[in-house]
Amino acid sequence: DIEMTQSPSTLSASVGDTVTITCRASQNINNWLAWYQQKPGKAPKLLIYRASALESGVPSRFIGGGSGTEFTLTISSLQPDDFATYYCQHHNISPLTFGGGTKVEIK
Amino acid sequence: EVQLVQSGGVVVQPGGSLRLSCSGSGFSFDDYPMHWVRQAPGKGLEWVSLISWDGRSTYYADSVKGRFTISRDNSKNSLYLQMNSLRTEDTAFYYCAKDDGFGTSLYYFDSWGQGTLVTVSS
Repeated sequence: DIEMTQSPSTLSASVGDTVTITCRASQNINNWLAWYQQKPGKAPKLLIYRASALESGVPSRFIGGGSGTEFTLTISSLQPDDFATYYCQHHNISPLTFGGGTKVEIK
Repeated sequence: EVQLVQSGGVVVQPGGSLRLSCSGSGFSFDDYPMHWVRQAPGKGLEWVSLISWDGRSTYYADSVKGRFTISRDNSKNSLYLQMNSLRTEDTAFYYCAKDDGFGTSLYYFDSWGQGTLVTVSS
């Protein structure tokens, strides 16, 4: 199985900051990586797929990058609505696995 | 608008069985693979199972293989998860999720149900 490792697990930031979350895969997954945002008590929401493709309706301040085994999610100019937990997920082949999550909290 | 509506939460004893359901609307249900994903309270996300658009192919996480069965009834726009031999570690919010792939799985989820809490406890 492909193991996904996210860092950091928690990130403290202020409105207007630019933050970057890293996700590493245990083997080459090309660009088969998705990012989700989850708020407390809610279902996750798809942000990015195929490493850098922005889901329809998602603000352009969410930027995905990387390929192979190392990937990033950058959120530029953090907005109040962006404080949430973010998960990466490889979408290469079954079994599908997620990273452990990164909580972006208000500093 | 895509909507996935799930059945309500329940409490079940260890060793017991339960069937979850998920009703889809706002899209051509029978054209898309569907998944179940779970999340233990306060923990991360875990993929559980995938079913092809026609129900002929199914896939499972090792943690549930042999105990859970995914199925669908396209005439009712419904997805199911039959859960047998439940364990305390199966306690989680269970989400149904739509695959973004038309006719074939792209293995990521573009729409999610609201979640159902399954509590396995004596």
